[in-house]
Amino acid sequence: GEDVEQSLFLSVREGDSSVINCTYTDSSSTYLYWYKQEPGAGLQLLTYIFSNMDMKQDQRLTVLLNKKDKHLSLRIADTQTGDSAIYFCAETAVETGGSYIPTFGRGTSLIVHP
Amino acid sequence: DSGVTQTPKHLITATGQRVTLRCSPRSGDLSVYWYQQSLDQGLQFLIQYYNGEERAKGNILERFSAQQFPDLHSELNLSSLELGDSALYFCASSVATGASGDPEQFFGPGTRLTVL
Repeated sequence: GEDVEQSLFLSVREGDSSVINCTYTDSSSTYLYWYKQEPGAGLQLLTYIFSNMDMKQDQRLTVLLNKKDKHLSLRIADTQTGDSAIYFCAETAVETGGSYIPTFGRGTSLIVHP
Repeated sequence: DSGVTQTPKHLITATGQRVTLRCSPRSGDLSVYWYQQSLDQGLQFLIQYYNGEERAKGNILERFSAQQFPDLHSELNLSSLELGDSALYFCASSVATGASGDPEQFFGPGTRLTVL
């Protein structure tokens, strides 16, 4: 079945850039997502990219997709303490019945220290 | 605030019991998805309903069932509970099934279930 892999932890200094990496196995992936989960909260969709794109930028966030290597990354510029959270990578392809059901990675805990 | 509400926030119960988790989707969203998040399994898709009908099924145990009502709220029923069912249960909603080109899902805050 599909698999999404992420490193478990990333520690950065405030003001630096953070890069969170993700690899996936499903070559039929249509959309790839980044979600953020803060303690005690649900998942918040940060951004997503369609599989025919290789880059998407949204303010401090840059998503890079290397479809050949099935590698997705999320870069957060000027990382702030408020960015400390767990970041989930997810991929989805159209399922039987026409639904997009994402497969999630285990999440990367981003720790931002002063 | 995603606009998706879930009740209760916390639930503590005993093995063998049955509980019902409730979810109200964002206004206008027709699809509801249920997920289980545990340390062992990560975030797992359980089941999706679209406009009252089951649309997709994931790793949902036979002891678990769900339904979506005419007002589009959904309930997840968990029965014969086991210790291993302790987890965070999330509901998400989307406008349609997603195949229309709108793949965004909006998550609720979750219900934390503890089975003792």
